[in-house]
Formats: sequence, structure tokens, C-alpha cells
Amino acid sequence: AQTVTQSQPEMSVQEAETVTLSCTYDTSENNYYLFWYKQPPSRQMILVIRQEAYKQQNATENRFSVNFQKAAKSFSLKISDSQLGDTAMYFCAFNEGGSNYKLTFGKGTLLTVNP
Amino acid sequence: NAGVTQTPKFQVLKTGQSMTLQCAQDMNHEYMSWYRQDPGMGLRLIHYSVGAGITDQGEVPNGYNVSRSTTEDFPLRLLSAAPSQTSVYFCASSQMLDPLAGYTFGSGTRLTVV
Repeated sequence: AQTVTQSQPEMSVQEAETVTLSCTYDTSENNYYLFWYKQPPSRQMILVIRQEAYKQQNATENRFSVNFQKAAKSFSLKISDSQLGDTAMYFCAFNEGGSNYKLTFGKGTLLTVNP
Repeated sequence: NAGVTQTPKFQVLKTGQSMTLQCAQDMNHEYMSWYRQDPGMGLRLIHYSVGAGITDQGEVPNGYNVSRSTTEDFPLRLLSAAPSQTSVYFCASSQMLDPLAGYTFGSGTRLTVV
């Protein structure tokens, strides 16, 4: 079974600074899909960024970008110019693709942005 | 607005009671799933379905039942509630032909079993 590991249960950052959340995963597949979801206090799950393993170029969505290291099986999320609204739980998720549609989640990292 | 609708948002049950969490989506997604979220555990898959009439177990299926009679609906049944089922439950759907699109989640149900 695939596993997703987020080694930082909690992190904090000052407003306007940059923070990186780590995620590693385990798979024997060559092509698969990786995601970061944000869960603010409202409890809603919001898709932040996505990456297909076949495409080596790192995905970017405004202030959010990833550092995808396929050989190391690492998928870290960088948040630039942190804002108070970025305070949330962040989940890394993995889908092995093919005929398997299940999404496996890490345990999450609680990010607090301080004023 | 299109999306995944979950009801109820909050529920308190007594041990031994049964109930059904409702989930409906209007995006014609083939894939639907139920997760539970517990502190420090992330989201764990309970049951999933790849289409009407087809369901399968996930990581933590015990104590839960599902059915998929239509593409739109995927209810989750708690047969005899236990305190260990106190959790936040999420329904999610996705389009199988576009895995990069990710999942669309409902707003969650906070269930407390006393």
C-alpha cells in the first residue's frame, strides 16, 4: 500500500515570509499524481496545487509552488509571502493512477501564520 | 453551485444507534468515496465506488455500510454507532478520466457518539 509521510506535525511562519512543508511518499509506479490540499478552520478541503509525476517541471499556483524530486520521492510545498489566511492544516496526497482512483493522504501539517 | 453536498453537518448519536450520512454530487463523477478524519491521523478511506452498483472497502470499513444505486448519491450507513466512530466524515468525488483534477470534497459531517 502507498504511504505518504508528512514529518512536520506543526509549523509556524511570520507574515510575508516563506515556508516549506515537506512530504515524502512510497511507490513503485512510474507515473502518478500528487496533490496538496488546504483545510482552514472552516473544515473545507481546498485543492492548492497538483503535479503529475510524468511531468518533471515543478507546478506553480500564484504564491504556492512545489519542489518535486521524483528520485527522492519528495513533494514539498513552498508558500511565498505568507498571509494570515494561509493558516490551515495542509495535507499531501497521492494517487497512483492507472485503474486505482484512491487518494492516500498524509497526516497533515498545521501551519500557523503569525502577524 | 455544482459540487458535493453532505448532510447533516453535525450529528450526535447514542451508542448503538444507527444513522445514514447523505452525499450527493451533480458533476456526473463516476468515482465517489468516504473518508474519516481524526486528529493526527489524516484522512482515512472508509469505502469507495467507481460507479452505480459497484462499491468496495477502503482502509477502515468496519462498522460502515455503503450503496450506490445512482451516479449522484453515495450514502454512508453506521449500523450500530460506537464512540470510536466519533470523527469528521468527508464525502469526495472525482472524474476517473481526469485524475489530475483531484477530488471535490463535501463540507464534512462532525459526528459525536456518546
